[in-house]
Amino acid sequence: EAGVVQSPRYKIIEKKQPVAFWCNPISGHNTLYWYLQNLGQGPELLIRYENEEAVDDSQLPKDRFSAERLKGVDSTLKIQPAELGDSAVYLCASSYGTRDEQFFGPGTRLTVL
Amino acid sequence: ILNVEQSPQSLHVQEGDSTNFTCSFPSSNFYALHWYRWETAKSPEALFVMTLNGDEKKKGRISATLNTKEGYSYLYIKGSQPEDSATYLCALRSPTGGGNKLTFGTGTQLKVEL
Repeated sequence: EAGVVQSPRYKIIEKKQPVAFWCNPISGHNTLYWYLQNLGQGPELLIRYENEEAVDDSQLPKDRFSAERLKGVDSTLKIQPAELGDSAVYLCASSYGTRDEQFFGPGTRLTVL
Repeated sequence: ILNVEQSPQSLHVQEGDSTNFTCSFPSSNFYALHWYRWETAKSPEALFVMTLNGDEKKKGRISATLNTKEGYSYLYIKGSQPEDSATYLCALRSPTGGGNKLTFGTGTQLKVEL
């Protein structure tokens, strides 16, 4: 069974440029999560989807970050414009239901120059 | 804001050494405690999910214990091998966020040298 797929794995951009990350969860998983991991810190939840509905986006900086999961399957996280402080690893995870174990993708490592 | 703390921040051991790390958390907000191993360039891999006070779980050379009353969990690695080199994360699952919000510690980075 394929795990959580994320792309790209690495991305280098200049500040003020837009960037997008893609996540395909495990087949059949209704809940999808985006996490941000800054260097030396643990992952922090940005947004959680139940199917296509964003049910917890309280930690998503909405001035520059946006996310969508239009058909309740794969998801895209976008930053526009990127800032130097956005350099981090962006992890996607999925679970069957809200209270089930989360499975993580390998993450996208973003470097903003 | 829940505070999940891990110590030490990093650890260098020799092959064959046994080692252990600590995860501490507020005991009043507890559903479960998760341990993950995260190797560089790979996905975080779930090691254990622990829910009951006094739980002890084992997977090969790795084991973990849980004390929910005092709010800590220990992860032990017996006879460390170079392939154990990774960051070990613990995460507290709490009642907030529909019961599946994970609050992660900052991790313990383990390096096992030959």
